[in-house]
Amino acid sequence: EAEVAQSPRYKITEKSQAVAFWCDPISGHATLYWYRQILGQGPELLVQFQDESVVDDSQLPKDRFSAERLKGVDSTLKIQPAELGDSAMYLCASSQSTESALHFGNGTRLTVT
Amino acid sequence: GENVEQHPSTLSVQEGDSAVIKCTYSDSASNYFPWYKQELGKRPQLIIDIRSNVGEKKDQRIAVTLNKTAKHFSLHITETQPEDSAVYFCAARSNTNAGKSTFGDGTTLTVKP
Repeated sequence: EAEVAQSPRYKITEKSQAVAFWCDPISGHATLYWYRQILGQGPELLVQFQDESVVDDSQLPKDRFSAERLKGVDSTLKIQPAELGDSAMYLCASSQSTESALHFGNGTRLTVT
Repeated sequence: GENVEQHPSTLSVQEGDSAVIKCTYSDSASNYFPWYKQELGKRPQLIIDIRSNVGEKKDQRIAVTLNKTAKHFSLHITETQPEDSAVYFCAARSNTNAGKSTFGDGTTLTVKP
């Protein structure tokens, strides 16, 4: 079964440093999502792409977070500068369309020290 | 925007008993309701979903019911097994909001052997 690939699996960084996460969705999936999951809570949507276009980034802290999906395939989420409160699991998900089920990657666990 | 509340936050049952997890949503335009299972350190995986034109759906030991009037839906697991122990998340999605999925905060289910 095809899977969403994410890297790195774990990342430890000091506050004020830059950090980047990468996601490769399932082939053919037009919709890509970045979620943040804080321990004990459900995933919270940061940004949603339809092909290469952002369709929802209302919850993305744009002063420090940026996301791109230049060719409408893989995507990168960047944080600069990282803050202590950014420590969380960052999950990427993809779906064939906005009406299809989400398939999640294994996530990147970020720890900011 | 959509608000999803999930109860209980923790649930402990004896092996063989049934488990029920309930969610309520606020957006009457929501029309798709998936349930995800997340084992420790792993990604959320879809276990069952239901669309708003259906009141109930069953897959072996798992069933989901939807009450559109009351805006609530429930996950039912019968004949629970220790391997059912995990965190379960409900979600609600409305196609009027670019297909954004809003998640509940999760229920930690423990099945005691």
